[in-house]
Amino acid sequence: NAGVTQTPKFQVLKTGQSMTLQCAQDMNHEYMSWYRQDPGMGLRLIHYSVGAGITDQGEVPNGYNVSRSTTEDFPLRLLSAAPSQTSVYFCASSPGQGAYEQYFGPGTRLTVT
Amino acid sequence: SQKIEQNSEALNIQEGKTATLTCNYTNYSPAYLQWYRQDPGRGPVFLLLIRENEKEKRKERLKVTFDTTLKQSLFHITASQPADSATYLCALNLYGNKLVFGAGTILRVKS
Repeated sequence: NAGVTQTPKFQVLKTGQSMTLQCAQDMNHEYMSWYRQDPGMGLRLIHYSVGAGITDQGEVPNGYNVSRSTTEDFPLRLLSAAPSQTSVYFCASSPGQGAYEQYFGPGTRLTVT
Repeated sequence: SQKIEQNSEALNIQEGKTATLTCNYTNYSPAYLQWYRQDPGRGPVFLLLIRENEKEKRKERLKVTFDTTLKQSLFHITASQPADSATYLCALNLYGNKLVFGAGTILRVKS
């Protein structure tokens, strides 16, 4: 199993550009989520999904869109990039609802200039 | 407001000693608490989960305690090794499967 994969690993965008961060998992997990990690602030939840076709907002959803058309994939779209979105983005999945561990991907380092 | 606090200063210890990391929280009533390890440039890796009705959980050299009265979790690594050097994150489960993470504590184990 590849686990949770993310692409790209690094990305530089100009203010106002849009892009999609890809996330895929091959563990048949129902739950997937996106976090951003900034220095001194820990991981913050952007959006999450409890299954295909179902998504919801986390703590910091503004400026981001998600969709979940399949169990495997959970892309994160930046609609109009801003310097405040410079961060490291992590995708995670977990087997089910409740007390389950999260499996994290390797992260995407995004810089918006 | 809801808040999770982990030591912002790095913890430096000598190889072979026990490392103890602290996670304090306010205004939560979490059903579970989790600890993760994160190495530079990598995603967090799950270590241990402890439920609100469990006082202590162990896994090999790792031990976690959970005191819901004090609103505190302690994470211990016994017989620490340089390979244990990393950032350790605590995370609290809110309803469902949503996690709220602390900022993490850097542990450095010197030989």
